[in-house]
Amino acid sequence: QSVLTQPPSVSAAPGQRVTISCSGSSSNIEDNYVSWYQQLPGTAPQLLIYETNKRPSGIPDRFSGSKSGTSATLGITGLQTGDEANYYCESWDSSLTAWVFGGGTKLTV
Amino acid sequence: EVQLVESGGGLAQPGGSLRVSCAASGFSLWDYAMSWVRQAPGKGLEWVSAISGSGDHTYYAASVKGRFTISRDKSKNTLYLQMEGLRVEDTAIYYCAKDQNYYGSEGLDYWGPGTLLSVSS
Repeated sequence: QSVLTQPPSVSAAPGQRVTISCSGSSSNIEDNYVSWYQQLPGTAPQLLIYETNKRPSGIPDRFSGSKSGTSATLGITGLQTGDEANYYCESWDSSLTAWVFGGGTKLTV
Repeated sequence: EVQLVESGGGLAQPGGSLRVSCAASGFSLWDYAMSWVRQAPGKGLEWVSAISGSGDHTYYAASVKGRFTISRDKSKNTLYLQMEGLRVEDTAIYYCAKDQNYYGSEGLDYWGPGTLLSVSS
């Protein structure tokens, strides 16, 4: 049981937009930054979003992050088949004094 | 170029010990926070431990606290995870990852390919 809750799977057609939610609490998402990672099959995770809504260099602006209260959202526009992957949210939990990941969401395009 | 390469995984017995290493190049471990993250076969990511750039602050997941110890060697620019009292549920790929920030608050921007630990009798 993950501290951060994500839907197990989402799907959308190529070219469409999809959002992935990450639900937490006042001790993590509400009071701390959120990061998002993409993990393609058989590879190490890659940072997509940090500090809730910032993109590292090289990450296309099709990827965006936001949060409201105790929930965060990853948005992906112009879906491509290459976006098929598992996506994870992460945040610092002030009560646990630990970083926590969501359970992951498998995106099917 | 930033590179992280883990090593030291393998087969261990329940109750046993093992140390995994992460050789870093292209940057100094003392300039950034570092984390260990693991992934059990077919499962999601689990954060395990982190150390701040100064080394003054170390953090552990509840599932490994008291059994695992994170450390660094300056001369080798290498990160370690010493694991004691291993359990079957510790079986996973262990990734080391670099934070964008000295304190560990800006996301993990570089990851190694991981090293697999299997705990079984």
